[in-house]
Amino acid sequence: KAGVTQTPRYLIKTRGQQVTLSCSPISGHRSVSWYQQTPGQGLQFLFEYFSETQRNKGNFPGRFSGRQFSNSRSEMNVSTLELGDSALYLCASSLKEGEDYGYTFGSGTRLTVV
Amino acid sequence: AQTVTQSQPEMSVQEAETVTLSCTYDTSESNYYLFWYKQPPSRQMILVIRQEAYKQQNATENRFSVNFQKAAKSFSLKISDSQLGDTAMYFCASQTSYDKVIFGPGTSLSVIP
Repeated sequence: KAGVTQTPRYLIKTRGQQVTLSCSPISGHRSVSWYQQTPGQGLQFLFEYFSETQRNKGNFPGRFSGRQFSNSRSEMNVSTLELGDSALYLCASSLKEGEDYGYTFGSGTRLTVV
Repeated sequence: AQTVTQSQPEMSVQEAETVTLSCTYDTSESNYYLFWYKQPPSRQMILVIRQEAYKQQNATENRFSVNFQKAAKSFSLKISDSQLGDTAMYFCASQTSYDKVIFGPGTSLSVIP
C-alpha cells in the first residue's frame, strides 16, 4: 500500500512569506500528526488531527496552523515566515484505533527561509 | 508530562558486532507505548520496534530487541550483527493513549566496516 506522501520535498521561501505543506496519510489512517525537526531542538510536536478535528497541539505560535480534510489529507500553513522556521517538517499518520499505536512517517518537507 | 531521555548522543560499532542504545522515560500513566525509530541519512523515519507497557515480554524484530525495565523506566535497544545499513539516528519515543508521541533527542549510530 502507498505510504505517507508529503509535498513538496523542498521549499525555499523569503522571510515574511507564507507557506503551505501537504500530507496524504496511508489509506484508512485518520490521524495525522506534524513535527518540526531541527538540529538544535530535535523533533517538536506541532499538532495532530483526527477525523478533521485538531486533537492535540504543541507549543508553537499562532503562525503555525493546520487542517484536515474529509479524505484525511492534511495541510500545514506557516504565515509570516521567520529564519528560525527553517527545518524539516515531518508528517506522520496513524490508525489510532484499538491497540495500533505508532507512526508511519512521510519523507518530510525541507523548508529553507532566506 | 512525558519525557524521554537518550544519554548517548553518538555511538559507533564494528560491523557484525552488537550495540545497545539507552533510553529512559518518565510518565505518570499506567498504559503507554514505547518505540524506537530509525532515521537514516535519507531522512525517512522508520519504526523499528514497539513495546506495549502492559506486556512483560520484551519485543523483538529480527536483529533488533529491547530490554524493557518498567520499574526503572528504562527501554534500551539492542542491535545484533550490526550492518552498514544500520547507520542512522535512532530515536526513542513514548506515547500514552490518545496523546502525542514524545521523542528523545536521538543517538547517532555509525557502523564501521
